[in-house]
Amino acid sequence: GQNIDQPTEMTATEGAIVQINCTYQTSGFNGLFWYQQHAGEAPTFLSYNVLDGLEEKGRFSSFLSRSKGYSYLLLKELQMKDSASYLCAVKDDYKLSFGAGTTVTVRA
Amino acid sequence: KAGVTQTPRYLIKTRGQQVTLSCSPISGHRSVSWYQQTPGQGLQFLFEYFSETQRNKGNFPGRFSGRQFSNSRSEMNVSTLELGDSALYLCASSLGTSGNWELFFGEGSRLTVL
Repeated sequence: GQNIDQPTEMTATEGAIVQINCTYQTSGFNGLFWYQQHAGEAPTFLSYNVLDGLEEKGRFSSFLSRSKGYSYLLLKELQMKDSASYLCAVKDDYKLSFGAGTTVTVRA
Repeated sequence: KAGVTQTPRYLIKTRGQQVTLSCSPISGHRSVSWYQQTPGQGLQFLFEYFSETQRNKGNFPGRFSGRQFSNSRSEMNVSTLELGDSALYLCASSLGTSGNWELFFGEGSRLTVL
């Protein structure tokens, strides 16, 4: 089975940096995904890590350590539009299993 | 290209009824996955279909079923609805082959059971 943990909520100010941690215990591993979901909308893909290390994509970066079962999503230069839920998901052979999501609130 | 299309977007049913939800994947995508999203539980995996075959199934009762057609369109059915089935049902498509696991989600079908 899959066990994926991430914090429930985080608050930060505009322009700041926020790091969302995700720990997982899974029966199989074919990569870790981060998705963003705005209220009332579908989740959208942010990043994918299958090897250890940091992947950078503009203001967003994602890190993976497979030996520690750990990932984080780093959001830099926060903007109001970044207020959303961020979902950590682990891929086994055939499915993505999601964490409960972290709601990030960006304040002016 | 067109994204994942789910119909209907909203529906209200009463306990004991059944419901069928439809999902049209992105053209060329052969894998369709279904998820249930509720505020307390997050996204829970229901099942995944690839080339008309169910490849994997989550921990939901037999009242939840699905199928996939030859054109990759998929339907899911929930019979004997319960109040707890009220949720957003999300469909996601992908190429479904090794290294091509990214899921593209539809807007979802919001089901309310009264």
